[in-house]
Amino acid sequence: QVQLKESGPGLVQPSQTLSLTCTVSGFSLTSYDVHWVRQPPGKGLEWMGGIWGDGSTAYNSALKSRLSISRDTSKSQVFLKMNSLQTEDTAIYFCTRSGYGGYSDYWGQGVMVTVSS
Amino acid sequence: DIQMTQSPPSLSASLGDKVTITCQASQNINKYIAWYQQKPGKAPRLFIRYTSTLESGTPSRFSGSGSGRDYSFSISNVESEDIASYYCLQYVNLPYTFGAGTKLELK
Repeated sequence: QVQLKESGPGLVQPSQTLSLTCTVSGFSLTSYDVHWVRQPPGKGLEWMGGIWGDGSTAYNSALKSRLSISRDTSKSQVFLKMNSLQTEDTAIYFCTRSGYGGYSDYWGQGVMVTVSS
Repeated sequence: DIQMTQSPPSLSASLGDKVTITCQASQNINKYIAWYQQKPGKAPRLFIRYTSTLESGTPSRFSGSGSGRDYSFSISNVESEDIASYYCLQYVNLPYTFGAGTKLELK
């Protein structure tokens, strides 16, 4: 069945770079898109960006200068890298599979990332 | 970027009530709106896509409607398991954008 699982450090220091991995199973990264969505504690959802089946990417305008999404199709993994982290980047980070059209139909469990010294 | 104005931010309902949440887009989104339910500590779950198409497993008491810039999501006969937060998402244009969310509570 379709599964996504995020992994990465739980704690990142301010000004450092966040690196997260989303490992997927049950579908091919060349046939489906994978998006990243984050949620600060007690707040709403924010679409961060995604990588399409053809390898193209798109990003949230507010994060574009700091964010990079890539993948390794042989390992069924998608990577998120975001630099210059600040405390307001503290959030649960979800990776999701996008169905035909752009909406996310499957979600990982999420990984909590705290930005603190 | 398309802005999604979701209201109300919170909603209090009794069991059996009908409730409606709305999302207004800053431009025509041609029905490309999805609705998610999120319970505390859990990932969001897709309930409705393309305005009114229920996902497999979504109870029939949930419905969606709308066109152009204005969309709504309704729950008829609220049940205790429906207590959660709900979010709309526009996926017509990149970057995709979520509404701010609506927290449904029991009265």
